[in-house]
Amino acid sequence: LAKTTQPISMDSYEGQEVNITCSHNNIATNDYITWYQQFPSQGPRFIIQGYKTKVTNEVASLFIPADRKSSTLSLPRVSLSDTAVYYCLLKAAGNKLTFGGGTRVLVKP
Amino acid sequence: DTGVSQDPRHKITKRGQNVTFRCDPISEHNRLYWYRQTLGQGPEFLTYFQNEAQLEKSRLLSDRFSAERPKGSFSTLEIQRTEQGDSAMYLCASSLGGTDSSGANVLTFGAGSRLTVL
Repeated sequence: LAKTTQPISMDSYEGQEVNITCSHNNIATNDYITWYQQFPSQGPRFIIQGYKTKVTNEVASLFIPADRKSSTLSLPRVSLSDTAVYYCLLKAAGNKLTFGGGTRVLVKP
Repeated sequence: DTGVSQDPRHKITKRGQNVTFRCDPISEHNRLYWYRQTLGQGPEFLTYFQNEAQLEKSRLLSDRFSAERPKGSFSTLEIQRTEQGDSAMYLCASSLGGTDSSGANVLTFGAGSRLTVL
């Protein structure tokens, strides 16, 4: 079963770039890597998804090396409102999409 | 379409009572998921439907939990004989699944139903 490992928490300051790395050594050939953001008392929200190399949207960038055993979510110039929990997600066996513990990002003024 | 709707948003009940949560997914989404989340933890998978068929159910889910998705539209999650350990946020999500797994991974979540068992 594909399993992800992320840092438990990260602190940053407004205006800085935040990079969160997710390890997934057993990723399957047809797995996509997806990142979600969750604020307190809300459901997770889709941020970005990729398969290989680099993907960028208006919110974040996702870097995936050639071996695909890890991925890095990059949040440029964070603000206080980016304080949240960020989850890296793979498609596990069957269709049981499994969340890990996530990374708590605290953006300080 | 306003996204995934869940009802009620909050439910307080006494131990031993039954509770039912409802989820209305995005109308064109054929896949529907139920997750449970406790404070400080990531969402925990409970069960998954493709259209009206319940295709997967977590081994962690006791027999007190049952979910249905009649006609492949809305879904209900019922917890019988609630216990204090059932207190959690119950999240519903939907997605448009196809042959390409990429779309199947993009879940749209509702705001959740928070259960407190006294």
